[in-house]
Amino acid sequence: DTGVSQNPRHKITKRGQNVTFRCDPISEHNRLYWYRQTLGQGPEFLTYFQNEAQLEKSRLLSDRFSAERPKGSFSTLEIQRTEQGDSAMYLCASSRAYGYTFGSGTRLTVV
Amino acid sequence: KQEVTQIPAALSVPEGENLVLNCSFTDSAIYNLQWFRQDPGKGLTSLLLIQSSQREQTSGRLNASLDKSSGRSTLYIAASQPGDSATYLCAVNEGGSEKLVFGKGTKLTVNP
Repeated sequence: DTGVSQNPRHKITKRGQNVTFRCDPISEHNRLYWYRQTLGQGPEFLTYFQNEAQLEKSRLLSDRFSAERPKGSFSTLEIQRTEQGDSAMYLCASSRAYGYTFGSGTRLTVV
Repeated sequence: KQEVTQIPAALSVPEGENLVLNCSFTDSAIYNLQWFRQDPGKGLTSLLLIQSSQREQTSGRLNASLDKSSGRSTLYIAASQPGDSATYLCAVNEGGSEKLVFGKGTKLTVNP
């Protein structure tokens, strides 16, 4: 059990560029979650996968955001045409039944 | 819409003091409640999870209680240490949904 791994740890991008983040959950966890956290706020739910199926999406997940979890293993979160308001920490978590294990997050800065 | 509030927003105490962090939520139809710790610039570490049918959970110097009917939870930290300095987040898992709804956290500073 190596924990939840997120890459990259930091990403600086110019406004309008596309970015993709990766999350590798704990191997036996079938549930995977993406959250976004801005400074001074608690994390906000973005989306949830059970195995490869995306079962729940927040209204925060605009058309510019897309998440995938092919084969029910790792997941990617892509943001197209980034905006300054997308600057945040993007957190991934996984679980099997009760409780979550979070990764260290990817900090995105849009300049 | 579920809302989670944490009071106080920040707390500074001398080492060795016992302290209580408060969390309240507006909709009592929750599946469970969790307390997390977050160090600056880092992810979240799970501390305690209380199922909706439980009243409290304990781990070491930490004790969390849940009063679902009144929409309140407390996190009690005994004999605080400088290493306890972090932001503590409360989150509820609503029935029928997989998502967690978080409060804004309480930033705790324990002074040596």
